[in-house]
Amino acid sequence: RKEVEQDPGPFNVPEGATVAFNCTYSNSASQSFFWYRQDCRKEPKLLMSVYSSGNEDGRFTAQLNRASQYISLLIRDSKLSDSATYLCVVKEGGGNKLTFGTGTQLKVEL
Amino acid sequence: GAVVSQHPSRVICKSGTSVKIECRSLDFQATTMFWYRQFPKQSLMLMATSNEGSKATYEQGVEKDKFLINHASLTLSTLTVTSAHPEDSSFYICSASRFGTSGEGQYFGPGTRLLVL
Repeated sequence: RKEVEQDPGPFNVPEGATVAFNCTYSNSASQSFFWYRQDCRKEPKLLMSVYSSGNEDGRFTAQLNRASQYISLLIRDSKLSDSATYLCVVKEGGGNKLTFGTGTQLKVEL
Repeated sequence: GAVVSQHPSRVICKSGTSVKIECRSLDFQATTMFWYRQFPKQSLMLMATSNEGSKATYEQGVEKDKFLINHASLTLSTLTVTSAHPEDSSFYICSASRFGTSGEGQYFGPGTRLLVL
């Protein structure tokens, strides 16, 4: 079983749609959780951290369920510029090592 | 914001040659740098953790004699792919961590695309 699992997609959605991505992780000792965005042939960039209470940043909302070891990302009113691969990333406590999911590809269309 | 650079951005080489990739933190001192590899349509896979002034820690399955890492200063780490073969063709990305920060403090370089013919 992969340490961090995501549905690879692609998710093809029209502009303005709401889309949700899910992620599960296997290591119950994981302490920190993030969503990164990676554009084609570019490096990943931090989109947002994920906190236990859930957190929102503009059109983006992240949720964490530690009991189920499940993380989600909701994008509202999607824009063409949101088209990218979204990476679920997990960090164990006590270190800086990040474990990446395979990513979910999003394509926002006119 | 923090910036991490990588050089070269792209390299094409013949099988059997060695390739050196540099990773620099431009506006902060990085006590720890990480080297990742990403094959097409796959996730980033951590290859090794590089700590300034000490030996790198390699992930399981990564040959330390093939992927030489040197972290000689707080702003520079190098990855040398020795005797490169076509199966080493990949996207190599480094990241640098500021001292005392969590995952939010890990900044990625723009990556180096290696093609071995």
